[in-house]
Amino acid sequence: GDSVTQMEGPVTLSEEAFLTINCTYTATGYPSLFWYVQYPGEGLQLLLKATKADDKGSNKGFEATYRKETTSFHLEKGSVQVSDSAVYFCARDNNRNSGNTPLVFGKGTRLSVIA
Amino acid sequence: GAVVSQHPSWVICKSGTSVKIECRSLDFQATTMFWYRQFPKQSLMLMATSNEGSKATYEQGVEKDKFLINHASLTLSTLTVTSAHPEDSSFYICSARGTFGPGTRLTVL
Repeated sequence: GDSVTQMEGPVTLSEEAFLTINCTYTATGYPSLFWYVQYPGEGLQLLLKATKADDKGSNKGFEATYRKETTSFHLEKGSVQVSDSAVYFCARDNNRNSGNTPLVFGKGTRLSVIA
Repeated sequence: GAVVSQHPSWVICKSGTSVKIECRSLDFQATTMFWYRQFPKQSLMLMATSNEGSKATYEQGVEKDKFLINHASLTLSTLTVTSAHPEDSSFYICSARGTFGPGTRLTVL
C-alpha cells in the first residue's frame, strides 16, 4: 500500500553542521507532502509542505523539494542549532486534494544537535 | 491560523475505567477530524476518521467498541477509551485540516 519511508535515526550533529533527512514515498497519483516536527514533550507542528511536483517548501531555514521523478521529499538545513533537536516526521496525504485528509507518516527521525 | 486543542493533556486511570478525550477546533469548523495513536518512539498511526453527524470510520484492527468516537458538533470530537487496560497507554492525537492537537498522554495503571 501507500507508504512513507524515512531514514532511521538517531542522527547526532554538531551545531552549524549540514542536515539531510531522507524521505521517499509511494503513492498512486500526486499527494501533498509534509514535514512535521515534534519537540520533546510536545505535539506535532507543521514545519513545511509542498503540494505539487518541483514545489519547494521552506521554513525556519529548513527546505524540502517535491521530486516526482525520485518520489522523494528530503529535508535539509544548512546550519543546525541545538534548538533544532527534535523528532522529524515525513508525511503524505491520500491525494484527494480536499484539504482535509488523514496523513500517512514515516517512522520519524530523531535529531540531536550538540553544542 | 487554525488551532486544535485537546483535553486533557494527560490522564492517569485505573485499569477497567473509561477515559474521554476531547478534541476541539478553536477557530474553524471541521466536519471531519482524525484520531491518531503514537506509541513511544514510534510513528503516528491513524485510528479512525470522525465524521460530524454520522458514524466514525475505523481503520483495520481498531476496535470500534473500545474506542468510541462521537462528533456531535462542527468543533468537537470525543474519543472514549472504554474499559482501559495498560496496553491502551499511549499518546492520542487528533487533527483537522492538517493541524494537529497537542496530544493526550494516557497512562493506564
